[in-house]
Amino acid sequence: GAVVSQHPSRVICKSGTSVKIECRSLDFQATTMFWYRQFPKQSLMLMATSNEGSKATYEQGVEKDKFLINHASLTLSTLTVTSAHPEDSSFYICSALGQVSYEQYFGPGTRLTVT
Amino acid sequence: GESVGLHLPTLSVQEGDNSIINCAYSNSASDYFIWYKQESGKGPQFIIDIRSNMDKRQGQRVTVLLNKTVKHLSLQIAATQPGDSAVYFCAENMGMDSSYKLIFGSGTRLLVRP
Repeated sequence: GAVVSQHPSRVICKSGTSVKIECRSLDFQATTMFWYRQFPKQSLMLMATSNEGSKATYEQGVEKDKFLINHASLTLSTLTVTSAHPEDSSFYICSALGQVSYEQYFGPGTRLTVT
Repeated sequence: GESVGLHLPTLSVQEGDNSIINCAYSNSASDYFIWYKQESGKGPQFIIDIRSNMDKRQGQRVTVLLNKTVKHLSLQIAATQPGDSAVYFCAENMGMDSSYKLIFGSGTRLLVRP
């Protein structure tokens, strides 16, 4: 149990375009999901907390108009990188918060490359 | 503690030896800590956790030690195997008031020599 998926696993897009990444909790409901970004050889940096039915809470320094988060159901949160630029190339990881243990269950990550 | 930067600290151990990975955390009010293993190109995988009312917890081949006085965590892996090669992160859970968000340490790469 407690499986989280992400789609796509890899995406290449051109500079200036937008790309959407999906995060799904497959066998449990998650009112809270989290989005992280990880650059090569670095740690996971929390970008935002996604709450079902309400606005996401962004960490300091993360542009909410550039990284749009939608958490429209208890099993799906999406992150849209708008007007992507090469510096947005990174590994994006989501997690879903368990409602009993409050443990975070991580997705497999999405590798975004902006050319 | 670990430095934040572009180069992960690396621990190289011989297969069969024990490994000890260290982590310093920042918030003295944190009461829940987790160790994760991350293989290349994958998401973090839960290894073991510990709450602040404990100073030691053991799992299968792994032990976590917590020293709240100096805000230090360690992960001990017994009889290290090639499959243990990965990057290891500690994380602080910021609790209910912060929606249980995690703050990750900078990580340590473990290399197991055959």
